[in-house]
Amino acid sequence: EVQLAQSGAEVKKPGESLKISCKTSGYIFTRFWIAWVRQMPEKGLEFMGIIYPGDSDVRYSPSLQGHATISADKSIGTAYLQWSSLKASDTAIYYCARIPVLGDNYFDTWGQGTVVTVSS
Amino acid sequence: EIVMTQSPATLSVSPGERAILSCRASENINYNLAWYQQSPGQAPRLLISGASTRATGIPARFSGSGSGTEFTLTIDSLQSEDFGVYYCQQYGNWPLTFGGGTKVEIK
Repeated sequence: EVQLAQSGAEVKKPGESLKISCKTSGYIFTRFWIAWVRQMPEKGLEFMGIIYPGDSDVRYSPSLQGHATISADKSIGTAYLQWSSLKASDTAIYYCARIPVLGDNYFDTWGQGTVVTVSS
Repeated sequence: EIVMTQSPATLSVSPGERAILSCRASENINYNLAWYQQSPGQAPRLLISGASTRATGIPARFSGSGSGTEFTLTIDSLQSEDFGVYYCQQYGNWPLTFGGGTKVEIK
């Protein structure tokens, strides 16, 4: 069974750094793209970017590029989303999701979400 | 960037009735459309890909149709577990984009 298990909730102050994780199981990690999706409080879903763990090819959505960084460690089947300097506007739930078919970028399996709260 | 517009924003439906949700793309995306269901406090769940192909384990009361710029998700005989928010997502062009969602609530 394909599973994506995300790290737990975080409470941070503005300006702090953060790295959240998405540990996968049940499939070959290096053969499928992984995406990150943001959901701000009481809002809809926003696509952030994708990574191909096989060669760490990363593609960002232009609207969200530059603030968060996507990475992966193929030795442990885990994808990451990180910030070097958080803002209050980063408060959201962040989901990782798997893309099941190369070239068809929809998401068949989702993590449970990581709640990130940034407040002074 | 392709803009996805969902309507209505909220749909009030009685259990057992049919719900029809619409999704419009600002440009032609062929059949590159997915639908997701998000129940309160839960992660989204894939319902439909390729505009009309049900994902594994999705009941037959969920059906998708459309192509190009106009798409529809139909839920026949709504069950209690079907209430929540539904999102469409296009993957025909970069960047990937979601619609704003339709909330299906109990009438």
